[in-house]
Amino acid sequence: GESVGLHLPTLSVQEGDNSIINCAYSNSASDYFIWYKQESGKGPQFIIDIRSNMDKRQGQRVTVLLNKTVKHLSLQIAATQPGDSAVYFCAENSRSNFGNEKLTFGTGTRLTIIP
Amino acid sequence: EAGVAQSPRYKIIEKRQSVAFWCNPISGHATLYWYQQILGQGPKLLIQFQNNGVVDDSQLPKDRFSAERLKGVDSTLKIQPAKLEDSAVYLCASSLAPGGDIYGYTFGSGTRLTVV
Repeated sequence: GESVGLHLPTLSVQEGDNSIINCAYSNSASDYFIWYKQESGKGPQFIIDIRSNMDKRQGQRVTVLLNKTVKHLSLQIAATQPGDSAVYFCAENSRSNFGNEKLTFGTGTRLTIIP
Repeated sequence: EAGVAQSPRYKIIEKRQSVAFWCNPISGHATLYWYQQILGQGPKLLIQFQNNGVVDDSQLPKDRFSAERLKGVDSTLKIQPAKLEDSAVYLCASSLAPGGDIYGYTFGSGTRLTVV
């Protein structure tokens, strides 16, 4: 779902530790999911994606897990670095009532890496 | 390849004034999106173009917002008259074709609008 108000969930992690960011999505018909990283003053940047026929996908230092039963996504970042500090959004890709593919963003999480 | 270009980067206007934002998508990208991102929230789709035609504008406040994509390349988003609640970052994104799961989405850096 989408966040309301100005207060993003926050997560602080010691540099070098692993972090897990969670996201609940709303549409059971969504078939494709993306994690984005957004740094201050920049647009969302693609990190990793996963299709609904998978439950896990790994990239470089990142892993996405998908649990369709409870409509839940998680992003795991291994060995966090200062450059990982940003706001992270999950987004679900689904077909709208107009027939077009549509991205719906979920609640963002502000990740802060503590040196 | 060059990314999605947006201008201006920042704009401050008084309420009831008008403002326009410009987006130049990645060359060859047929699908263009405008998103509104209010502080502390995820981006929300305002309008989607396929070439120069509107595919989805269901979330666009049409009494004050308008958008066009002449010749299927650059796009302009306009607000007239602006309200305080329009303060947000306006993001443009593009995709090679409809179907972000195949072609992906690329976002610009956005225009930060402050209405005072």
